[in-house]
Amino acid sequence: DSGVTQTPKHLITATGQRVTLRCSPRSGDLSVYWYQQSLDQGLQFLIQYYNGEERAKGNILERFSAQQFPDLHSELNLSSLELGDSALYFCASSVDRGIQYFGAGTRLSVL
Amino acid sequence: GENVEQHPSTLSVQEGDSAVIKCTYSDSASNYFPWYKQELGKRPQLIIDIRSNVGEKKDQRIAVTLNKTAKHFSLHITETQPEDSAVYFCAAGTGSGGYQKVTFGTGTKLQVIP
Repeated sequence: DSGVTQTPKHLITATGQRVTLRCSPRSGDLSVYWYQQSLDQGLQFLIQYYNGEERAKGNILERFSAQQFPDLHSELNLSSLELGDSALYFCASSVDRGIQYFGAGTRLSVL
Repeated sequence: GENVEQHPSTLSVQEGDSAVIKCTYSDSASNYFPWYKQELGKRPQLIIDIRSNVGEKKDQRIAVTLNKTAKHFSLHITETQPEDSAVYFCAAGTGSGGYQKVTFGTGTKLQVIP
């Protein structure tokens, strides 16, 4: 167990809908990263937050948004969902050394 | 931005043989190079990392080498075992502390044949 908690584990929804993925980082970790992993694909970096502020942005679609709250948990919001958004979404957290600890992921299925 | 290329995309070795995975990066400011292992259906987990002031690092059967001049780094696994079968990702990080951004390679699927 990495200490990073992601909920829910699985999410099934329909096209056009909106969902929220939640991540609780390890105790003391200020950075949270979000990644998308499609079937048999690599890890696509979406966005990073550090202590509540956005620090880096990757290939995140405009339909997607995220935030990090004062208690350091983070949420990834996906709206107007399309079939191609079906993927495994990972959250990771880190402290200053940069080592990222990954959560177990949320598997999103858009039908 | 940073671009990390990883080769090969798939690798099959006989149990007991060595496996080598190579990565190149584009941003000369990159100073942190971790390697992650992802078993089927599981989360990526850090197996070893190296920083730009070190050329080589070993941890039991795993070693990583870094050539900053050529901007490439490699993962070496010796005496491979079936449990080494997984997808391995290299990554390159820039910045420090909370400003660190990490770019992952596309992954190498390693299969160790018993």
